[in-house]
Amino acid sequence: RKEVEQDPGPFNVPEGATVAFNCTYSNSASQSFFWYRQDCRKEPKLLMSVYSSGNEDGRFTAQLNRASQYISLLIRDSKLSDSATYLCVVAGWGYNQGGKLIFGQGTELSVKP
Amino acid sequence: DVKVTQSSRYLVKRTGEKVFLECVQDMDHENMFWYRQDPGLGLRLIYFSYDVKMKEKGDIPEGYSVSREKKERFSLILESASTNQTSMYLCASSQLQVGSEAFFGQGTRLTVV
Repeated sequence: RKEVEQDPGPFNVPEGATVAFNCTYSNSASQSFFWYRQDCRKEPKLLMSVYSSGNEDGRFTAQLNRASQYISLLIRDSKLSDSATYLCVVAGWGYNQGGKLIFGQGTELSVKP
Repeated sequence: DVKVTQSSRYLVKRTGEKVFLECVQDMDHENMFWYRQDPGLGLRLIYFSYDVKMKEKGDIPEGYSVSREKKERFSLILESASTNQTSMYLCASSQLQVGSEAFFGQGTRLTVV
């Protein structure tokens, strides 16, 4: 089983749609959770961190369920500029782990006019 | 402006060559990472380091080694390049604290012929 698994893509949605991405992780000792965004032929960049209480940044909402080891990202009112690959990232700390970051395989989103 | 710099954007090497990929960060980060990214497989961790001269294997260390002689520099070494090491290589750095954002270099597209 992969340490971090994401919904397979691609997701093709019209502008204005709401889209949800899901992610599960296997290591219950994981301590930090993130969503990164990667545009075509570019490096990944942090979209938002994910907290147990849930957090929102404009049209983006991230949720963490530690009991189910599940992370989600909701994008409301999709824009053409949201087209990218969304990467679920989990980090765990422990002896000699030093903040090891593990990425899911990514989910591609394409927003169409 | 934070910066992670990889020495080359594109490299073409011959099978059997020893290849060095260099990464420098200017943010005084403790953690540094090397990933490779392949279509359908996402980012896979090769090696990471949480301190000078410290290194930890990631998920796919075979055929690679690393060097971290100075805090700001993390080198990836392909001891004897093979065609299956053709890939996009991404370097990243982060602070040691829980929840720290990782910053990526622009990547090195390596082709082994």
